[in-house]
Amino acid sequence: GAGVSQSPSNKVTEKGKDVELRCDPISGHTALYWYRQRLGQGLEFLIYFQGNSAPDKSGLPSDRFSAERTGESVSTLTIQRTQQEDSAVYLCASSLAGAGADTQYFGPGTRLTVL
Amino acid sequence: EDQVTQSPEALRLQEGESSSLNCSYTVSGLRGLFWYRQDPGKGPEFLFTLYSAGEEKEKERLKATLTKKESFLHITAPKPEDSATYLCAVLFNYGQNFVFGPGTRLSVLP
Repeated sequence: GAGVSQSPSNKVTEKGKDVELRCDPISGHTALYWYRQRLGQGLEFLIYFQGNSAPDKSGLPSDRFSAERTGESVSTLTIQRTQQEDSAVYLCASSLAGAGADTQYFGPGTRLTVL
Repeated sequence: EDQVTQSPEALRLQEGESSSLNCSYTVSGLRGLFWYRQDPGKGPEFLFTLYSAGEEKEKERLKATLTKKESFLHITAPKPEDSATYLCAVLFNYGQNFVFGPGTRLSVLP
């Protein structure tokens, strides 16, 4: 595909359930980022993958959040035992090079609503 | 803690009324400053990257400038299709994380 894709586009879940969000980066992009954007707010960094290096998980808000990436392809963000405060848009971005001032290309996001 | 702030929070302009948006950051070593445009329900779309004080970039009605403490996004003779939220993000010398500002919601009225 031409750009970053994310699925699902919308997810409604009940409090306490687990959810899995998917990101397909642009082919050849070695760096991948996950962000959270609460309504009316800026982007909050969650996690960063660069090639086969250990991911930077410093932005994950709690141990209920985890993410994986297979090589330089698909990434999944998992939120366990969802809480209402997890409701937000989750954005994924990829770039050609992570360690450097390179351009991030964003997906359309997944809107998560926890009832 | 390094922070990125943007002002104003919201801005309403008449079509053709030029103005500027501000992005300020606390100093801890800048590696790059990025401007994005975000339309409702969509992911941010890249506009510009600035690397050093004094640098300027232009694209259609937009021009971005950078000083040691802040960046401005100048909008000349805006059109209604320029209505969006404009985000700035800073990559500092340490780490590899982008710090985003809260954004400025721009509305251009016909």
